[in-house]
Amino acid sequence: EVQMLESGGDLLQPGGSLRLSCAASGFTFSSSAMSWVRQAPGKGLEWVSAISGSGDNTYYAASVKGRFTISRDNSKNTLYLQMNSLRAEDTAVYYCAKDFCADGFCYFFDHWGQGTLVTVSS
Amino acid sequence: DIVMTQSPDSLAVSLGERATINCKSSQSVLYSSNNKNYLAWYQQKPRQPPKLLIYWASTRESGVPDRFSGSGSGTDFTLTISSLQAEDVAVYYCQQYYYTPQLTFGGGTKVEIK
Repeated sequence: EVQMLESGGDLLQPGGSLRLSCAASGFTFSSSAMSWVRQAPGKGLEWVSAISGSGDNTYYAASVKGRFTISRDNSKNTLYLQMNSLRAEDTAVYYCAKDFCADGFCYFFDHWGQGTLVTVSS
Repeated sequence: DIVMTQSPDSLAVSLGERATINCKSSQSVLYSSNNKNYLAWYQQKPRQPPKLLIYWASTRESGVPDRFSGSGSGTDFTLTISSLQAEDVAVYYCQQYYYTPQLTFGGGTKVEIK
């Protein structure tokens, strides 16, 4: 069974930093592209960042580029999101999601974690 | 970025009746070389993460009841729940994956029981 468990969410002040983790199991993690998707309170879904299975390729939404860094440790089956220079508008539940990929391309998200809440407030 | 617009924002349907949700993309998500529409639908129940329902605009994910169906092509898509059940109360989102990696979602449609 595919499982993903996020951790690291917290309450912090604007300008602060935080690292989220996502521990994965039940699938071949090193072969799977992964993403972070966030959801502000009462709002819709926003794709944040993605990383290839090897970790060689990373992608970011314009809203977080230059502030957030996605990475992975395939030896630990764990995905990370380093978040710097946090703003109030980064307040959201952050989900890790497994990408469905085929023939070298990634498409939709076939599994999601339960999410972890990040609150940025003074 | 491609913009996904859903309508209505919410709808209330009687148990056993049909629910129809629309999704419109600002650009076509039909890939001509394989004739596939790069569109997915997700269901998010209260206090739960999203769950994949449909991909390639009309292919149901394994385990999804057949009362859920997807249709449409190009820029206009529809998610239909043929006979609404109590457990279908949720927010439904469409998502395009044509313009990767900048994946975008619709704003969501909340389905309630009338």
